[in-house]
Amino acid sequence: AQSVTQLGSHVSVSEGALVLLRCNYSSSVPPYLFWYVQYPNQGLQLLLKYTSAATLVKGINGFEAEFKKSETSFHLTKPSAHMSDAAEYFCAVSEHTGGFKTIFGAGTRLFVKA
Amino acid sequence: GAGVSQSPRYKVAKRGQDVALRCDPISGHVSLFWYQQALGQGPEFLTYFQNEAQLDKSGLPSDRFFAERPEGSVSTLKIQRTQQEDSAVYLCASSLTSGRAQETQYFGPGTRLLVL
Repeated sequence: AQSVTQLGSHVSVSEGALVLLRCNYSSSVPPYLFWYVQYPNQGLQLLLKYTSAATLVKGINGFEAEFKKSETSFHLTKPSAHMSDAAEYFCAVSEHTGGFKTIFGAGTRLFVKA
Repeated sequence: GAGVSQSPRYKVAKRGQDVALRCDPISGHVSLFWYQQALGQGPEFLTYFQNEAQLDKSGLPSDRFFAERPEGSVSTLKIQRTQQEDSAVYLCASSLTSGRAQETQYFGPGTRLLVL
């Protein structure tokens, strides 16, 4: 069965510092992988997704993620944090054969300090 | 254009009451998903519709939960005899075509349900 593990329920960085949010997945077949962001009282918004093309995926707002099959990881990075990046981030996985279900991690809340 | 909308945004129910949560997907979107997001957790899949057909309801936690999409657009999630453990945010998402695994889902703002 698929599962997603996000290391660290809370991450705090200073404005301008590197953002690194970790995600590991467990899947028996090559998966599709997603990162979503959720701002308070808003729905989830797609940041980026991996669909078996390039392993380095660029998304919105300067975020990118790299699919590493050997490490079963899909970590999210941004070179320089901005105050507006403070939000909850969710990693998610779905399988080629899974059809309709997307499995989400528990989320990582990002705090950005001035 | 208009995104996914949900109503009500907040609902307080007494234990044992029935509630109905509404989702208006993006116009023309074929697929519709319902998720339950407990406090401090990620969304968990409840059910999936392709047009009016409910193709997967394996995530519904009990027979008190029922979802419908009779005309293939608006969907309603109904919870009968609500319990305190039903307190959560209920998210609706839609996608353009057949809900293939790689397709982007567009989420509504959610309905926050509190059962007292």
